[in-house]
Amino acid sequence: GAVVSQHPSRVICKSGTSVKIECRSLDFQATTMFWYRQFPKQSLMLMATSNEGSKATYEQGVEKDKFLINHASLTLSTLTVTSAHPEDSSFYICSASEGAGYGYTFGSGTRLTVV
Amino acid sequence: GDSVTQMEGPVTLSEEAFLTINCTYTATGYPSLFWYVQYPGEGLQLLLKATKADDKGSNKGFEATYRKETTSFHLEKGSVQVSDSAVYFCALSDRWSGGSNYKLTFGKGTLLTVNP
Repeated sequence: GAVVSQHPSRVICKSGTSVKIECRSLDFQATTMFWYRQFPKQSLMLMATSNEGSKATYEQGVEKDKFLINHASLTLSTLTVTSAHPEDSSFYICSASEGAGYGYTFGSGTRLTVV
Repeated sequence: GDSVTQMEGPVTLSEEAFLTINCTYTATGYPSLFWYVQYPGEGLQLLLKATKADDKGSNKGFEATYRKETTSFHLEKGSVQVSDSAVYFCALSDRWSGGSNYKLTFGKGTLLTVNP
């Protein structure tokens, strides 16, 4: 079945630094990738949707300059949290899809802690 | 806009008990419906799905039926196991939402704990 690899699984960084999270589709071409942030008590918030080769579409309230998303190839998307602050600490999850009707495959998530 | 409402947890059951997690939705189009499961510290895994009215999705003993008349997609399992302890998310993808890249809209999740 479809597999999405997300790295790193855990990262601790200092306040003010940037962190990059990678999401790779291992056995299919992901035309669309989605980035979510999961808050305490489970709720998932869609941050942005990215299509290969074009700019990401951000959800309302998500800072584009803070959460940089790149989808340069059909198998790789990256989320960079720039100038991280403690309030950015969260669980970030990516999801990839080959297209409408193909379903969604999720990465295993990245636990970001900003100290 | 699209939304998903699922019963709030946490839900605590004894092994072999019957499970129901309610889920209702609102959508502008004709959505596909999903249940995802998240085990501690992991991402989401697709549990089951249904793409049209009256479809029944099933997997690992779990079932859910797409009820258009009641806009519901309740998750059921006849006999839960300790290994079913996880967070369960109901979600929809509205294929007619146009320009939204068929994104998933999630409920808030329900934590299930099954005790031996």
